[in-house]
Amino acid sequence: GNSVTQMEGPVTLSEEAFLTINCTYTATGYPSLFWYVQYPGEGLQLLLKATKADDKGSNKGFEATYRKETTSFHLEKGSVQVSDSAVYFCALSVERFSGGYNKLIFGAGTRLAVHP
Amino acid sequence: NAGVTQTPKFRILKIGQSMTLQCTQDMNHNYMYWYRQDPGMGLKLIYYSVGAGITDKGEVPNGYNVSRSTTEDFPLRLELAAPSQTSVYFCASTRDRSSYEQYFGPGTRLTVT
Repeated sequence: GNSVTQMEGPVTLSEEAFLTINCTYTATGYPSLFWYVQYPGEGLQLLLKATKADDKGSNKGFEATYRKETTSFHLEKGSVQVSDSAVYFCALSVERFSGGYNKLIFGAGTRLAVHP
Repeated sequence: NAGVTQTPKFRILKIGQSMTLQCTQDMNHNYMYWYRQDPGMGLKLIYYSVGAGITDKGEVPNGYNVSRSTTEDFPLRLELAAPSQTSVYFCASTRDRSSYEQYFGPGTRLTVT
């Protein structure tokens, strides 16, 4: 079946540290991959996406590369800020050919806390 | 544009009570979704709708009902609330079937005691 596995949190970093949050997936076919971010008290927002192998998604200093050979989509940022403290969700989208919708399958989420 | 709005933000229910979680979007999106988020777990799809008058079950529909009488509104009904329904509920929408980005509301935190 289709699934997403993320590293467990919380991840605690000092400001300006390097961030990696690991994400691996299992999917049939050719999924699209996403990172969503959830700031405290808010709903999820799309952070970045990649729709085919070797694509790199980037936004707000975050990057992730779609690696088909390792079935991974790790999130990275070179220098985190306190304002990046949030929960990060890796997700994949599998198209339902029989109609309906592009189903999103989420990982469990990784909480990031950045301290000054 | 308000995006996706949800009410209420918080609610405490007693076992066996019923309630409706409201969701409204002003982006003229055809597709709408209800998810629940349990601690340490990813989001699970409860129900979805591909347009007014059309709804279908997601992964965890038991204990819930939905309706979609307009494009804008997609209420979620809990009948006979149970402690297992304690969760955070998110409503989301997308423009159409080929859209990748889902737009989420701020969530409703529900506790059933």
